[in-house]
Amino acid sequence: DTEVTQTPKHLVMGMTNKKSLKCEQHMGHRAMYWYKQKAKKPPELMFVYSYEKLSINESVPSRFSPECPNSSLLNLHLHALQPEDSALYLCASSQEGTLNTGELFFGEGSRLTVL
Amino acid sequence: AQSVTQLGSHVSVSEGALVLLRCNYSSSVPPYLFWYVQYPNQGLQLLLKYTTGATLVKGINGFEAEFKKSETSFHLTKPSAHMSDAAEYFCAVSDRSGGSNYKLTFGKGTLLTVNP
Repeated sequence: DTEVTQTPKHLVMGMTNKKSLKCEQHMGHRAMYWYKQKAKKPPELMFVYSYEKLSINESVPSRFSPECPNSSLLNLHLHALQPEDSALYLCASSQEGTLNTGELFFGEGSRLTVL
Repeated sequence: AQSVTQLGSHVSVSEGALVLLRCNYSSSVPPYLFWYVQYPNQGLQLLLKYTTGATLVKGINGFEAEFKKSETSFHLTKPSAHMSDAAEYFCAVSDRSGGSNYKLTFGKGTLLTVNP
């Protein structure tokens, strides 16, 4: 069982829709991540939040908007997406500070299809 | 800059045979090293990790890996493959010199198939 929970597991949306992906963890981790993974490729980092503040944005288009309401929750708001944005979106969390070894704890992902 | 090279995008073995998945890395400082497994339509699950101490690391499901600094390698092995081992395997490196946020660098992945 994963300790990082992502909803929904599957999402189909049109290019004009607005939707959100949600992620929750209760491991007390203070760093949370969004990754995008295309088929047969490794995950690509999109955003990192550290202590609820955005610390890394890997030049992601503005149609993806992250939000970290509190230390346990991470959202990814989606608007005006393109078909090429169809992918598996993975949330992850990790320790912070001296406890951080870089080990990430992943959720099972949200499979997004943009029509 | 860090990089990870996984030799062989696809490895096929027979059930009961040795599994060997190769990973070489480059890093300017001693790294933290990881192997993750991904089953179809699932997220990534940590198999094992090397941070400090013993260079032979044992993980879940009978897998182990050895950190060889002189060879900059972290190959993953399992003595006897099981059908349930069929999955995508990712090697990753994390640079200790980073700040409080780590950016894992992943290899391109190796798809393991296990034949009956």
